Amino acid sequence: QQQVKQSPQSLIVQKGGIPIINCAYENTAFDYFPWYQQFPGKGPALLIAIRPDVSEKKEGRFTISFNKSAKQFSLHIMDSQPGDSATYFCAASRGGTGKLIFGQGTTLQVKP
Amino acid sequence: GAGVSQSPRYKVAKRGQDVALRCDPISGHVSLFWYQQALGQGPEFLTYFQNEAQLDKSGLPSDRFFAERPEGSVSTLKIQRTQQEDSAVYLCASSLAWQGEGYEQYFGPGTRLTVT
Repeated sequence: QQQVKQSPQSLIVQKGGIPIINCAYENTAFDYFPWYQQFPGKGPALLIAIRPDVSEKKEGRFTISFNKSAKQFSLHIMDSQPGDSATYFCAASRGGTGKLIFGQGTTLQVKP
Repeated sequence: GAGVSQSPRYKVAKRGQDVALRCDPISGHVSLFWYQQALGQGPEFLTYFQNEAQLDKSGLPSDRFFAERPEGSVSTLKIQRTQQEDSAVYLCASSLAWQGEGYEQYFGPGTRLTVT
């Protein structure tokens, strides 16, 4: 059972563009939604996270939009740079369990 | 400060061998998690410790997989009688707390296991 669905699988944008990655979840008990960035050969690095009591959170060039009624959340990368080229994972967890359920990942390429 | 470290970074095992993978969490972090990441996929949960107590091992794929954290800091994931389907990157993560503030999980670089 796939509890977190992520799309698109891959994405190519030009430098300065705003890639958007979407995730949908099924379990309404989830209450913590992080995004991770992973470079080849490295572990996932936490970018930004949101809880369902807010609809948007910004940290630097990264923004999470959260729609609780639709059970969807998305990552926007403002003014994208070639150095942002990586695989991005959304995840979700239920309070008290700690266990993260990850989406399938989106490979982003930002062209110079 | 130092992040999560894992060793070895790479491990090649012949089918049927036992392997042990080590995780050193961030100092003071209470919670420790193991995940398995197959090529091109997102990490999948294996098991979770709060201090030395293993609170959830629902993700361990078989009884050949065993994890421990005897003193509440360093953890070892052991795989007995390795099979080819065990080939993956094994990721360790730690967090300061198990809920509320400090809930964020920080990952190590992973151990890439190849079973031949």
